[in-house]
Amino acid sequence: KQEVTQIPAALSVPEGENLVLNCSFTDSAIYNLQWFRQDPGKGLTSLLLIQSSQREQTSGRLNASLDKSSGRSTLYIAASQPGDSATYLCAVRPDNAGNMLTFGGGTRLMVKP
Amino acid sequence: EAQVTQNPRYLITVTGKKLTVTCSQNMNHEYMSWYRQDPGLGLRQIYYSMNVEVTDKGDVPEGYKVSRKEKRNFPLILESPSPNQTSLYFCASSFGRAINEQYFGPGTRLTVT
Repeated sequence: KQEVTQIPAALSVPEGENLVLNCSFTDSAIYNLQWFRQDPGKGLTSLLLIQSSQREQTSGRLNASLDKSSGRSTLYIAASQPGDSATYLCAVRPDNAGNMLTFGGGTRLMVKP
Repeated sequence: EAQVTQNPRYLITVTGKKLTVTCSQNMNHEYMSWYRQDPGLGLRQIYYSMNVEVTDKGDVPEGYKVSRKEKRNFPLILESPSPNQTSLYFCASSFGRAINEQYFGPGTRLTVT
């Protein structure tokens, strides 16, 4: 059964820092991996989607990489801002006909002014 | 505006009283699903639907029912709610199958006393 782990569970950094969030998964047979942002009490906002054939995706200050063979993905946030404070979740989709996303536990990020 | 909507956003009910949480999307997506989010357990899929009249169980389907009579709607039904169904529920949708990103609703916080 696929398991997704995110480390660290919580992270506090001063404004302006570049930071990396980690996501690892046990079964490399994935179709794609998606990074989400969740604000307290709110829904999930999709940040980046990486297909299994891709190595990375970029959107603004965000860059997500995928190393399928080693079961790892990283989300790089450049020049962090207080508005980046949220919980970041990664989710993988299995490489079969199913459509279930398996989520990691999330990394709770706080960016201090 | 393209979106997934859920109603109600907050609900407090008593054990055994049937309830329905509605989910609607205006993006003409074939695929819809329900998740619950619990502290320490993360997001887990309850049910999903690949298209009208096609539904299947996710990871934690016990105690829930769904229906997909129309493409845009995917209600979640709790026939006899119990306190262990107290959770934050999310509906999600995507166009097509595995290749596309999922869009999430704002969440429904359910408390069963």
